[in-house]
Amino acid sequence: SAVISQKPSRDICQRGTSLTIQCQVDSQVTMMFWYRQQPGQSLTLIATANQGSEATYESGFVIDKFPISRPNLTFSTLTVSNMSPEDSSIYLCSVAGTPHRPYEQYFGPGTRLTVT
Amino acid sequence: GQQLNQSPQSMFIQEGEDVSMNCTSSSIFNTWLWYKQDPGEGPVLLIALYKAGELTSNGRLTAQFGITRKDSFLNISASIPSDVGIYFCAGLLLTQGGSEKLVFGKGTKLTVNP
Repeated sequence: SAVISQKPSRDICQRGTSLTIQCQVDSQVTMMFWYRQQPGQSLTLIATANQGSEATYESGFVIDKFPISRPNLTFSTLTVSNMSPEDSSIYLCSVAGTPHRPYEQYFGPGTRLTVT
Repeated sequence: GQQLNQSPQSMFIQEGEDVSMNCTSSSIFNTWLWYKQDPGEGPVLLIALYKAGELTSNGRLTAQFGITRKDSFLNISASIPSDVGIYFCAGLLLTQGGSEKLVFGKGTKLTVNP
C-alpha cells in the first residue's frame, strides 16, 4: 500500500481566512482524491485531483471554495477558502492506482480543521 | 445518485463474539472495499473484493462480494478489544471518463466490551 502524509494534521483558523492542506504520497499514483468527513459522519468526495489539469468536482463543491492543485504524481494540495464554521471538518487525501493495486484507495491520516 | 445502505449502524458486543455487518445498494459496483477507521485517523483498507461471489479472508476478517454485485458483508470472528472502531463499506464505480469514484456507506460503529 502507499504511505500518505498530510500537513497540517490539525489547525484552528479564523473565519474568512484560507487554509492550504498538503498531501504527499511515497510513490507515483494514478489518482488522488480529496474527501471531507464531518464529525460522526461518513466520507464525502470533494473532488478528484487531476495532474496538469483542473480538478473534477462533485456536486455541491466548487473550485472557488476548494481550489486544488496536483503538480505531479505524488503531491496535491487542497485549499479551503474564505472559511466559515461550517467548514469545520476532517479533510482526507486518498490515492489510487498504485502499480500492484490499481483499484484500491488508500487514505492519509487527515487534517482536522476547526473554524472559529 | 448511488447510495449504500450499511447496517447495523452500531453494535455492542462482548469480547470473543463474532460480528457481522453488511451493505446493500440498488446500484451495481465493480469492486467492494471495507475500511476501518480509528478515532483521529484516516480509514485503513481491510479487504478488497473484485468479483461477484468472491469470498476473501484477512486474518479474523472475512468479506464477500454479493453475487448480484449489489451487496457485500463483512464478518469478524472472535472479536478482541482492538476491533473497536468504525467500519465503512465502499463501492467502486468506474466513470465514463475513465476515472473512478468510491461511494461510502454510513459506517458501523463497533464497541467491544472486554
